[in-house]
Amino acid sequence: ETGVTQSPTHLIKTRGQQVTLRCSSQSGHNTVSWYQQALGQGPQFIFQYYREEENGRGNFPPRFSGLQFPNYSSELNVNALELDDSALYLCASSSKRGGTDTQYFGPGTRLTVL
Amino acid sequence: AQSVTQPDIHITVSEGASLELRCNYSYGATPYLFWYVQSPGQGLQLLLKYFSGDTLVQGIKGFEAEFKRSQSSFNLRKPSVHWSDAAEYFCAVARGNAGKSTFGDGTTLTVKP
Repeated sequence: ETGVTQSPTHLIKTRGQQVTLRCSSQSGHNTVSWYQQALGQGPQFIFQYYREEENGRGNFPPRFSGLQFPNYSSELNVNALELDDSALYLCASSSKRGGTDTQYFGPGTRLTVL
Repeated sequence: AQSVTQPDIHITVSEGASLELRCNYSYGATPYLFWYVQSPGQGLQLLLKYFSGDTLVQGIKGFEAEFKRSQSSFNLRKPSVHWSDAAEYFCAVARGNAGKSTFGDGTTLTVKP
């Protein structure tokens, strides 16, 4: 059983550009959540995908968007990058839409916006 | 809206000493509560979770936490700290969906030899 993987590990972009981050969920998991963790802060919930549909969203603008594929892997897209988007982006997978199931985190993608 | 406060930004303890990390939450009903640990450059690892039932929860690596509804607290404890416990610790709360958690800003634990 493989764990949650994310790519790339690190990424440097300039303001105004667009970025796509990828997440492969743990085997057997159909739910993926994305979080943003700014330096010195706790993770903030961006959105969750369940069986290819968005299942809830945090307080993030529409330029943050996502996708989930039939194999339950997921992408996070950010358009018109701003300096404040610099952060560690974490994805987590679980095997249920919600409820008491444990979420397992990937190692994250470190995004730097210059 | 739910929120989590971790009052201690940084705690230093000696190896072998006991540890307590504080967590207070704001939420109307009984929440789902979690403690995670994060080592530098790593993702989050779940230490323990509370959904219902016994208010004293046992986790991995010798950690435990106690849910106190009257104090809106979920403090993490360990009787004897090891040098390898040095890391960032996050408390989180969720309302019916563990994947939509609200996190505190974390407590950094330093362990002195």
